Amino acid sequence: DTGVSQDPRHKITKRGQNVTFRCDPISEHNRLYWYRQTLGQGPEFLTYFQNEAQLEKSRLLSDRFSAERPKGSFSTLEIQRTEQGDSAMYLCASSFLPGQAFSYNSPLHFGNGTRLTVT
Amino acid sequence: DQQVKQNSPSLSVQEGRISILNCDYTNSMFDYFLWYKKYPAEGPTFLISISSIKDKNEDGRFTVFLNKSAKHLSLHIVPSQPGDSAVYFCAARKAAGNKLTFGGGTRVLVKP
Repeated sequence: DTGVSQDPRHKITKRGQNVTFRCDPISEHNRLYWYRQTLGQGPEFLTYFQNEAQLEKSRLLSDRFSAERPKGSFSTLEIQRTEQGDSAMYLCASSFLPGQAFSYNSPLHFGNGTRLTVT
Repeated sequence: DQQVKQNSPSLSVQEGRISILNCDYTNSMFDYFLWYKKYPAEGPTFLISISSIKDKNEDGRFTVFLNKSAKHLSLHIVPSQPGDSAVYFCAARKAAGNKLTFGGGTRVLVKP
């Protein structure tokens, strides 16, 4: 079990630039989540996938944000035209949902995040 | 609208004593509750969880208590160890839901 892997760990970019982050979930996990955490706050939900399908998006996810999970394995989160308010830790998490279950009591396993600084 | 609240931003406790962390929620649709621990520069690590059909769950030094009528849960760590110094988040999930809603965290410092 190699855990959830996120790349890069840190990203510094200038306002207006585009950035892309990658997340590799735990291999047998079919659910993948993106969260954002700012200083002094708890993680806030952005979006989640079951396999390759994006099933829910938060209203926090403006049209400058897009997430994909093309083959149901790794995922990317892209932020276009970055703003200083996008500076945060972006966390990826994965979990396993068995069979046809709609909901299941299993914890999310988080990666170490990508810290984005927009100057 | 903060549905999950941790009203104590910090807690200091002596090594060997009990740490008690509290969490309140407002949404009666929540049915699964979790505690996560976070060290600096790392992602949150799952500690312990409890389903709404229970009022207590224990795992080693960690015990979570759930009071549904008060919409309150707590995490007890006993005995506290210096390695427990971290930020602790409570989280909740709605019945038939999928995402977790987190509280703002409580920073715990265990003094040797």
